[in-house]
Amino acid sequence: DARVTQTPRHKVTEMGQEVTMRCQPILGHNTVFWYRQTMMQGLELLAYFRNRAPLDDSGMPKDRFSAEMPDATLATLKIQPSEPRDSAVYFCASGPGNFQPQHFGDGTRLSIL
Amino acid sequence: GQQVMQIPQYQHVQEGEDFTTYCNSSTTLSNIQWYKQRPGGHPVFLIQLVKSGEVKKQKRLTFQFGEAKKNSSLHITATQTTDVGTYFCAGPKGTGNQFYFGTGTSLTVIP
Repeated sequence: DARVTQTPRHKVTEMGQEVTMRCQPILGHNTVFWYRQTMMQGLELLAYFRNRAPLDDSGMPKDRFSAEMPDATLATLKIQPSEPRDSAVYFCASGPGNFQPQHFGDGTRLSIL
Repeated sequence: GQQVMQIPQYQHVQEGEDFTTYCNSSTTLSNIQWYKQRPGGHPVFLIQLVKSGEVKKQKRLTFQFGEAKKNSSLHITATQTTDVGTYFCAGPKGTGNQFYFGTGTSLTVIP
């Protein structure tokens, strides 16, 4: 079965370090989403791409977060510098089109010390 | 702003009992999706409802979309331990393809 692949699965690093999370969407899917999940805030949409173009990053702290799609097979989410409050599970999801079901990756569990 | 709220936040049931979670939006939704997330896992798509008053069934799961398209429910008949997890509804953000996820209902099934 086709699936969304995220790396790394786990990341522990110190405050101030740069963190890069990667996502390989399902081949043929033209929409990609980045979410952050915490106990307090639930699932928050951070960024949304369609056909590799960023359409919505209003949920993302602009000063330290950035999201890109260098090509159709790779989406990245970077945090620089990282802070303890960034500790969360970050999910990437892809979909085949507008309002279609989203397929989630296994997530990156990020801990910032 | 647009929000999607779910109740209850937590539900503990004895195995065999029924379970219902409710999703409410402050605005009319063009469609609504439901996802299930097992503990330690990722959200998995269950179903999408589009029409006013629509009812869809998947084995023991029954999904409803309200007549006004502002609320939805998921009902599980005779819960099993495999039903354990968090159930999320998700509604579109305006006219875009982005979805607001509800706060989720965490279901615990006691054997």
